[in-house]
Amino acid sequence: EPEVTQTPSHQVTQMGQEVILRCVPISNHLYFYWYRQILGQKVEFLVSFYNNEISEKSEIFDDQFSVERPDGSNFTLKIRSTKLEDSAMYFCASKTDNEKLFFGSGTQLSVL
Amino acid sequence: GESVGLHLPTLSVQEGDNSIINCAYSNSASDYFIWYKQESGKGPQFIIDIRSNMDKRQGQRVTVLLNKTVKHLSLQIAATQPGDSAVYFCAENMWGYSTLTFGKGTMLLVSP
Repeated sequence: EPEVTQTPSHQVTQMGQEVILRCVPISNHLYFYWYRQILGQKVEFLVSFYNNEISEKSEIFDDQFSVERPDGSNFTLKIRSTKLEDSAMYFCASKTDNEKLFFGSGTQLSVL
Repeated sequence: GESVGLHLPTLSVQEGDNSIINCAYSNSASDYFIWYKQESGKGPQFIIDIRSNMDKRQGQRVTVLLNKTVKHLSLQIAATQPGDSAVYFCAENMWGYSTLTFGKGTMLLVSP
């Protein structure tokens, strides 16, 4: 069964450093998402991406965040200058034109 | 001071019991609902979905019930197995928007 893959599975960084989280969505999917989950809390929407541009973003997704689809397969989330409160599990997700959203296994980001 | 706790509602059942997990949603304009299962260290996994023009939908061992009058969603798992132990999230979506909004989650613990 096709799946969304994310790398790395764990990322440790120092506060103020830039990180790039990588995702390969399912190949025929059109809509791409980043969500995050702080430990023990619910999954929160960050941003959605369609047709090579951001279609929606939450208030969490401030100027420190950016997304890119640099080629036909990868979808990345960049955090420019990480803060302690950015520590969370980051999930990439994708879907076709129906609502069923498929999630990757996540990247656990720890900011020290 | 206030503690930031891992205060997920928890449902503990015996193997073979039927489980019912409940979710209240807030947006009366939501017209699509999904239940996700999240095992420790993994991304949310699709279980079953339902549109607002239905009040019940059945899958394999799972049934979702939707009561739009009181904005309530439930997931029933028949003959619960230890492998069903996970956190279960409901999520909602509004027509015309691609973003899923997740609920807080319920932890299901199944004892052999």
